[in-house]
Amino acid sequence: GESVGLHLPTLSVQEGDNSIINCAYSNSASDYFIWYKQESGKGPQFIIDIRSNMDKRQGQRVTVLLNKTVKHLSLQIAATQPGDSAVYFCAENVYGGSQGNLIFGKGTKLSVKP
Amino acid sequence: DAGVIQSPRHEVTEMGQEVTLRCKPISGHDYLFWYRQTMMRGLELLIYFNNNVPIDDSGMPEDRFSAKMPNASFSTLKIQPSEPRDSAVYFCASSFGQGRRYNEQFFGPGTRLTVL
Repeated sequence: GESVGLHLPTLSVQEGDNSIINCAYSNSASDYFIWYKQESGKGPQFIIDIRSNMDKRQGQRVTVLLNKTVKHLSLQIAATQPGDSAVYFCAENVYGGSQGNLIFGKGTKLSVKP
Repeated sequence: DAGVIQSPRHEVTEMGQEVTLRCKPISGHDYLFWYRQTMMRGLELLIYFNNNVPIDDSGMPEDRFSAKMPNASFSTLKIQPSEPRDSAVYFCASSFGQGRRYNEQFFGPGTRLTVL
């Protein structure tokens, strides 16, 4: 999920395969993380969150993994579907920072081939 | 609930004109956020309110930008005068804090602003 300026990192997968989207965060004080999905022409939509006292959390077809040692977050989507095509953002909340304030990454574009 | 409502959805204006973007947060939410999204800079927080009071406006680009929240159900983001570099998609989001440490933000559909 690192920024590459004008172009978003793109992940292209075949329908039915599993997808893994990665995000690196820089602030070791961050204690809450969210993954958002943004479809074309729409606002970001909440997918799943995780607190820093956990290293894994599962939802419906999605799993978020947190590795605090290397400050890395990943989103796994099982059996990827065409409707999963979107830009995915990770966001972090810094412990001790302003309540409610999230810092967003630049995003990764997921493209699902039928 | 209808979710976060933003208007207009699209705005095309000429340089120097005043632009006003509007937001209605989800009923009961006590935090409101204004973001700007561009390809170059991604999603940037401009300002956010808690109980109608501005908490952090450090992301507001310059004095041409101003935001108000006169009541719990309405906020505006104003740009005066507008410039071509203000062209972006502007999102409003709201969340329910009330002492909770972790607050999911709900986003509106955005306003796509084009300044010619």
